Amino acid sequence: ETGVTQTPRHLVMGMTNKKSLKCEQHLGHNAMYWYKQSAKKPLELMFVYNFKEQTENNSVPSRFSPECPNSSHLFLHLHTLQPEDSALYLCASKALAGGAFNEQFFGPGTRLTVL
Amino acid sequence: DQQVKQNSPSLSVQEGRISILNCDYTNSMFDYFLWYKKYPAEGPTFLISISSIKDKNEDGRFTVFLNKSAKHLSLHIVPSQPGDSAVYFCAASAGAGSYQLTFGKGTKLSVIP
Repeated sequence: ETGVTQTPRHLVMGMTNKKSLKCEQHLGHNAMYWYKQSAKKPLELMFVYNFKEQTENNSVPSRFSPECPNSSHLFLHLHTLQPEDSALYLCASKALAGGAFNEQFFGPGTRLTVL
Repeated sequence: DQQVKQNSPSLSVQEGRISILNCDYTNSMFDYFLWYKKYPAEGPTFLISISSIKDKNEDGRFTVFLNKSAKHLSLHIVPSQPGDSAVYFCAASAGAGSYQLTFGKGTKLSVIP
């Protein structure tokens, strides 16, 4: 595997279910991100992890719970979601290098549908 | 309020002609700008970037122009090819060490053969 991978690619869940999204990066990066992309809206940053430490939580409801066990893996745990949470969830990673700007590399996303 | 705006949701261009995608921003702290390209069922992929110390950056068929006084940037694709058909996102960052990108809503480019 290369780049940033996400599983599952598609997920349908009921409002009472608990599920998890998984992201893995094979690039040796040390920052990882969760984004939400809803129809006709910009990508919304949800969470940022730098060196496994959460550095940003963009006022995300507690029904979304991130976990970063190491710098290569990122999870998004989902429980009691609402239909309006249906969206494309994108994971990204980035190298943190002093003074240089490095672009973020994105995974293919998980298309989530909440019934 | 959106800090990065792409006011054209879609654009159609004939193959071989120039495609011009526009992006406006409001935050004067932004000093690094990127364009991402996204195909259906794939994540965005980095295309080209520009620092605020420059007004132009070129990479093959792709050129990004930055007008800081107008807080405007544009992506030119010449010549346009059918494989360029995708959604293009403009993104901005404040500071070289910043980890956060602010994205526009995207412009869907269709290149007609």
